[in-house]
Amino acid sequence: KNEVEQSPQNLTAQEGEFITINCSYSVGISALHWLQQHPGGGIVSLFMLSSGKKKHGRLIATINIQEKHSSLHITASHPRDSAVYICAVFSGTYKYIFGTGTRLKVLA
Amino acid sequence: KAGVTQTPRYLIKTRGQQVTLSCSPISGHRSVSWYQQTPGQGLQFLFEYFSETQRNKGNFPGRFSGRQFSNSRSEMNVSTLELGDSALYLCASSSWTGPNEKLFFGSGTQLSVL
Repeated sequence: KNEVEQSPQNLTAQEGEFITINCSYSVGISALHWLQQHPGGGIVSLFMLSSGKKKHGRLIATINIQEKHSSLHITASHPRDSAVYICAVFSGTYKYIFGTGTRLKVLA
Repeated sequence: KAGVTQTPRYLIKTRGQQVTLSCSPISGHRSVSWYQQTPGQGLQFLFEYFSETQRNKGNFPGRFSGRQFSNSRSEMNVSTLELGDSALYLCASSSWTGPNEKLFFGSGTQLSVL
């Protein structure tokens, strides 16, 4: 079992839909990052969380440390949100562990 | 402010050769980390440097090494290349005042080993 699990692996949505991507982890962490990767490889860091909830525009990220779970929500999804979303946990001794990613496609 | 710069963007090598990749962090950032991304394994952490010191290393063989210079620029070296080393190599920088610091990624170096 991977130390960081994401679900779903693939997601297709219609423009305007509310989207949720989940990340569960089994290790102790200091922080969790949500990353966005567009075709061509460029990665953008969307959020880093150690507790609670953060919001940026249409994106909301939450984390529950006790349940070892985080969610990334996209409200009013748009085709430009199509990308791979990756959860990364920062676990002791400055080590990052990555989920396998969720491939999101938003149809116009 | 200039972003994280990785050079070269593409590289083709043959088995047995060695390769050096370069990463220039955002000005003022002292932490540089390196990652390997493949379709099969996804993103994997290679190592992280802070103020010229390697603070941690991922589960990669000793053929993978790196260093950081006093200006925070970092290089990654892979010796005795294998076909399985073909991957996108990404570096990221941060100001590192703690694990909550945002990571800023470069565009990556796409390495193909023939």
